Formats: sequence, structure tokens, C-alpha cells
Amino acid sequence: DSGVTQTPKHLITATGQRVTLRCSPRSGDLSVYWYQQSLDQGLQFLIQYYNGEERAKGNILERFSAQQFPDLHSELNLSSLELGDSALYFCASSAGQGTNEKLFFGSGTQLSVL
Amino acid sequence: AQSVAQPEDQVNVAEGNPLTVKCTYSVSGNPYLFWYVQYPNRGLQFLLKYITGDNLVKGSYGFEAEFNKSQTSFHLKKPSALVSDSALYFCAVRDDSNYQLIWGAGTKLIIKP
Repeated sequence: DSGVTQTPKHLITATGQRVTLRCSPRSGDLSVYWYQQSLDQGLQFLIQYYNGEERAKGNILERFSAQQFPDLHSELNLSSLELGDSALYFCASSAGQGTNEKLFFGSGTQLSVL
Repeated sequence: AQSVAQPEDQVNVAEGNPLTVKCTYSVSGNPYLFWYVQYPNRGLQFLLKYITGDNLVKGSYGFEAEFNKSQTSFHLKKPSALVSDSALYFCAVRDDSNYQLIWGAGTKLIIKP
């Protein structure tokens, strides 16, 4: 068990809808990272938060947004969903703000857009 | 541009035999290299990393990786494979533009009894 909790595990929704994915990092970790994993694109970095502040942004669509709350949990909001957004979304956490350290991954949220 | 490549989609090894999962990279500066493993229905787990120092890095579950600067490679190895090593293995390199990880496509490792 990595100590990173993601909910829900599975999410089925329709095109055009909006969903929220939740992540609780490992106790004491200040950084949260969001990744998207799909068969055609592989593992793609979306965004990183460190202690409530956006630290780095990757290939995140404008329809997607995220935030990290004072208790350090994070939410990834996906709106105007398209079929191509179907993927496994991972959250990871680390103690510091750099990625030269170990990342701890949650088990992911499998999103299916129908 | 910085990149990482895993040239094999799948590697098949008999239990007890040595295994190698290949990774090559391209970076502008000194590479920060990582290996992670993903078991079915699980998140990725850290195996090992190379930042600097000894070219042979030892990691979790008996895995090790050899950094070769001249060949720009960071191959993952294990002397004797176990059936339980069957999983998806990812190599990653740190992108110096935003300090995030760039991931390889993954290599499926199948260990046959």
C-alpha cells in the first residue's frame, strides 16, 4: 500500500459531463502530481501542486483543472468530457517539490466516457 | 528535446534466467533516470533511480540498473527472474525544463515458469 488514496476507483459518465477525481497524498507529503495513462498516449504528466500552490504544468487540457486544498488533498476536475478523455488517471505524491525523489502512486481512477 | 525510449514492447524470460529490460534516453544535461513497475490494477511503484555516482544502481526486489553514458542507456536487470516479476516496467527521465518526469511507453515483462 503506497499510502496514496484515490477515489472513486471507477467512473462511468457521458460526453459533455463534468467529473471530479479526488486524491489524498501520503501522510506528510506536500507534493501531489496528476497523470493520465492511456493506451495511445502512455503516461502523461498533467500537473503538480506543492503545498497548495501550482508547481508545474504539463499536457493538461484547458477543460481540465486541479487544486490542492489546505489539508493537502487534491482534486482534478474534468469538464466537457469527450470520448478521448477515457483513461486511467493517477495521483502521486512526494515529500518535497522536486522530482528527483521517489513518487508514491495511488491505484488510479478508471474513467470511461460513453 | 529530452526523451526516453523503451525499444521492446514485451520481454519474455524463463523463471530463473537473468532478465534485462532496455531503456535509452536523450537529455541535454546530466540525466536523472528512474525505473518504476506497475502490477495489474495497481499504481506505479518506485524501483530505483540514478542521479549521480556509481553506474550500477541497486533497487527494490533484487533489481539493479546499469547507467551507461556513452550508450545513453539505463537498462534494468535482475540475475534470476521470478514469476512474480511479471509486470509492466517504465523507465523515466527528468525533463530539465519543468523538472517533471518523461516516461517511456513501458515494457511488459512476462516470466514463464
